[in-house]
This record gives sequence, C-alpha cells and structure tokens, in this order.
Amino acid sequence: KNEVEQSPQNLTAQEGEFITINCSYSVGISALHWLQQHPGGGIVSLFMLSSGKKKHGRLIATINIQEKHSSLHITASHPRDSAVYICAVRSYNTDKLIFGTGTRLQVFP
Amino acid sequence: NAGVTQTPKFQVLKTGQSMTLQCAQDMNHNSMYWYRQDPGMGLRLIYYSASEGTTDKGEVPNGYNVSRLNKREFSLRLESAAPSQTSVYFCASSDTDRGLTGELFFGEGSRLTVL
Repeated sequence: KNEVEQSPQNLTAQEGEFITINCSYSVGISALHWLQQHPGGGIVSLFMLSSGKKKHGRLIATINIQEKHSSLHITASHPRDSAVYICAVRSYNTDKLIFGTGTRLQVFP
Repeated sequence: NAGVTQTPKFQVLKTGQSMTLQCAQDMNHNSMYWYRQDPGMGLRLIYYSASEGTTDKGEVPNGYNVSRLNKREFSLRLESAAPSQTSVYFCASSDTDRGLTGELFFGEGSRLTVL
C-alpha cells in the first residue's frame, strides 16, 4: 500500500462544477503539499499546509491531521484548471517528501 | 525572477552515453532535489542535497551521480545511460529547515530518452 493515496485517479467535470480531490497518508508528517502539473509542463506549488485550511482564489485546501487526510477543492471550475494535481507529504521522521501518483482533472466547457 | 532553472529540456541519448543535467536556483535555498517522473508513478527521489557539499541517496539512485559544488547548483550525471533511465527529470529546491516555509519550487523538467 502506498504511503500517500489520492482519489480519484481521474476526474472529468463540466465548467462551473465544484471539484474535490482527496489525499490520504499513513505516516506522521510535518507538512503536506498540493502541486499542479499542466500537460507537458512543469510543476507548480499550490499550497503547503500543516493544519487547518488555506484559500487562494478559487482553490481551497484543508487538512485533518488526526484523520491523516487532506482535500483540495476547486470552486467554479474552468477548463484552464485541467491538469494533474499531486499531493505530497513531508515525513516528520525522515524529512523526506513522499508523493502521490496524482489526480488527472479535465474540465470541459 | 528565475526560480529553478534546469537544462537541457530535451535530450536523446544512445545506450552507454553519458550526460549531465544541470540545475540552478536563485532563492538561496539549502535543500535541492532530483526526481524522476514515470507514467503511473509518483515522483521518485533520486538524490537530494540538504546543504552545500552534502548529498544523500534517495529511493532510486542506481545509475546516477550528483554534485553540489555550491549553494546554487546541483547537477545530475548519468555515466552510462540505459533505456530504463528514459524519464522526465525534475530538479526542485526548498528551505526545509523546520520553522521556515518549506515550499517547493520545481524546474520545468528535462525529458530524457535513451535508445
């Protein structure tokens, strides 16, 4: 079993829909990252969080440390949100990053 | 405001050839990383460097060497390329000292094909 699991693996949506991507992990962490990777492109950091909730524009990230679970929400989704979203955790013990395999999101007009 | 710059963006090699991927960051970060990304798998750590002059193996170090000659630059060398090293390589940096942000910054990736 992977130490970081994301769901769903693939997600399609119509423009305007509310999107939720989930990340569960099994190790103790010091931080959790949400990353975005556009097709053929580089990787951009969206959020880093260790507790609670963060919001940036239409993106919201939450984390529940007790349940070892994080969610990334996209409100009023747009075709330009189409990308792979990657969850990564920093292990508290080793200080190393462990990556999920990503969620591929396609938003259609 | 360059961030993390890696070169080359694309490279085709024949089996047995050698090459070096270059990475430089201008954010004064201590930590730098080399990852590879393969279809259906999460990013896997090849090597990392917690500070200038130090390097450590990651999950998949075999077939690679690294060099952290100064704080800015962290290079990845393939001494004798193999088809299994066909992948997209990402360099990243962060300030991972606990208490600092630890935000990750990635380069644009280098797509390597080994024939």
